[in-house]
Amino acid sequence: GAVVSQHPSWVICKSGTSVKIECRSLDFQATTMFWYRQFPKQSLMLMATSNEGSKATYEQGVEKDKFLINHASLTLSTLTVTSAHPEDSSFYICSASSSGGASYNEQFFGPGTRLTVL
Amino acid sequence: KQEVTQIPAALSVPEGENLVLNCSFTDSAIYNLQWFRQDPGKGLTSLLLIQSSQREQTSGRLNASLDKSSGRSTLYIAASQPGDSATYLCAVKGIPGNTPLVFGKGTRLSVIA
Repeated sequence: GAVVSQHPSWVICKSGTSVKIECRSLDFQATTMFWYRQFPKQSLMLMATSNEGSKATYEQGVEKDKFLINHASLTLSTLTVTSAHPEDSSFYICSASSSGGASYNEQFFGPGTRLTVL
Repeated sequence: KQEVTQIPAALSVPEGENLVLNCSFTDSAIYNLQWFRQDPGKGLTSLLLIQSSQREQTSGRLNASLDKSSGRSTLYIAASQPGDSATYLCAVKGIPGNTPLVFGKGTRLSVIA
């Protein structure tokens, strides 16, 4: 299957700082990327969907000014948590899919980034 | 809006047992359904993907079935092993196929040696 990487795998930051998480599709072109969040013992909740070159579409209840998503190329999407607070501490997982090839529309997941805000 | 429910929430079985995990979804208009495994503190491992036109998929000791009309899927694990202990997540992709996967809350499985 296709490979998706995330960086960093974990990050600890102080309250009020901003954190950027990168998501890369290593061996395919990702026309669509999805960002999920998972709180302890909860399932994955979709935060936003982004198509390359377009503005992201955010799910209800997700603040677009707080969670900035950039999908500037077919292999890279970034999620920036601005002015992070302890309640933003969570496991963030990106997912990428392509619009062509044998794995058409299949979502491939990154290994996740654990964010802890002190 | 699609909702995915998984039953049971947790399951503990002795090693060697065959077991079934259940998944139900409210909107039968799906593109595909996928089962994942997640170990504590880790990301997702894809186990089986069933397209909407398929009835089942098999991989080793795992078999997943799909009954789209009734909104149900089951994951069958044969001859369970302690290494199978993990959380199993069911996720459904709607139509069109570029909509995001919607996840259930998972079944936490413990296989006791």
